[in-house]
Amino acid sequence: NAGVTQTPKFRILKIGQSMTLQCAQDMNHNYMYWYRQDPGMGLKLIYYSVGAGITDKGEVPNGYNVSRSTTEDFPLRLELAAPSQTSVYFCASSPYGTVTNYGYTFGSGTRLTVV
Amino acid sequence: QKEVEQDPGPLSVPEGAIVSLNCTYSNSAFQYFMWYRQYSRKGPELLMYTYSSGNKEDGRFTAQVDKSSKYISLFIRDSQPSDSATYLCAMRDDKIIFGKGTRLHILP
Repeated sequence: NAGVTQTPKFRILKIGQSMTLQCAQDMNHNYMYWYRQDPGMGLKLIYYSVGAGITDKGEVPNGYNVSRSTTEDFPLRLELAAPSQTSVYFCASSPYGTVTNYGYTFGSGTRLTVV
Repeated sequence: QKEVEQDPGPLSVPEGAIVSLNCTYSNSAFQYFMWYRQYSRKGPELLMYTYSSGNKEDGRFTAQVDKSSKYISLFIRDSQPSDSATYLCAMRDDKIIFGKGTRLHILP
């Protein structure tokens, strides 16, 4: 199993450009999450989804959008990129209603630089 | 007071030493406690999880939860250079709240 796959691994954007960070999981997990990780700041939740067609804001949603049309995919859209969005982005998933697994499975991250 | 507090380090210890990593938290409703390990330029991976208070051991790793003190610990025995990573504590109610992580260096 591939687990959680994120693409691209690296990207440089110019200010004002847009892009979509892709995330796919093959574990049939209902819950999916997007985090950003800045040096010394820990993981901050951007958006999350509890199932196809259902999304909700996390701690830092401004400047981002998400959609969840299938169980497997949870893309993160950046509109009008700003230098403040320079970060490492992690997608994660977790099962629903599982009593033995309380953790998330993370992807390997997308390193984004906005210049 | 932040929900989860964790010393960022870095913490440098010689190979073979016992390592103690700690977090404090403020929300007494947390029931599930986790430790994630994150290698450089990788995503976090779940290392250990415990439910409520008590200890849990897995090989060289021991996770300890003291709910009365709102304090959790991760102990690493016989530390190895391969243990060098950032360790994030995490706690869960409806979502997981992460600490900022402690950078650990094991010196050969």
